[in-house]
Amino acid sequence: SYVLTQPPSVSVAPGLTAKITCGGNNIGSKSVHWYQQKPGQAPVLVVYDDIDRPSGIPERFSGSNSGNTATLTISRVEAGDEADYYCQVWDTSSDHPWVFGTGTKVTVL
Amino acid sequence: QLQLQESGSGLVKPSQSLSLTCAVSGGSISSGGGYSWSWIRQPVGKGLEWIGFFFLSGNTYYNPSLKSRVTISVDRSKNQFSLKLTSVTATDTAVYYCARRGATGWFDPWGQGTLVTVSS
Repeated sequence: SYVLTQPPSVSVAPGLTAKITCGGNNIGSKSVHWYQQKPGQAPVLVVYDDIDRPSGIPERFSGSNSGNTATLTISRVEAGDEADYYCQVWDTSSDHPWVFGTGTKVTVL
Repeated sequence: QLQLQESGSGLVKPSQSLSLTCAVSGGSISSGGGYSWSWIRQPVGKGLEWIGFFFLSGNTYYNPSLKSRVTISVDRSKNQFSLKLTSVTATDTAVYYCARRGATGWFDPWGQGTLVTVSS
């Protein structure tokens, strides 16, 4: 089945930019979605279809996807952005089409 | 605003069945729009795993690793859908979420989740 690889952790100082990568074979040809999950809470969709933001998600959250890597970028990081972040794709070529990444813990220093 | 809420048994004995219900409010399951309705789980401290989902057409899709034990059904009159997982073991212990699935595979919104523990 399709595998999505994320770095286990990313640390960033407040006000700076955090980049979270999601690696997968030819992921640029797929739609990538990103979720934020704070401790004890359900995941929240922050970016869908590579680059779109749901209503209510700050513009500080943006996405890109090309080649073998998709990236979630958080600009002007705030303390409230500290959370786990998961990427997800729909791999139509697989019998296990809905794949989540391994997750990245973002720590705000 | 669409909201989902899981309910069901929090403690299940090994080899028995797990049953959960997801109540949908602020919108109708039958509204169409290309959406489908899903179950996802997360073992405590671990990552996310999709269980399955259904379309209003009646088509269902299950995770191949769980397919032999999973049934997802819908009760349109109550605007809710359900999950049944049979022959559970300790590895089925997890927080179970229901969510709406969009046309390109994203999940939003999610229910708050319910912890199911498999233990004797």
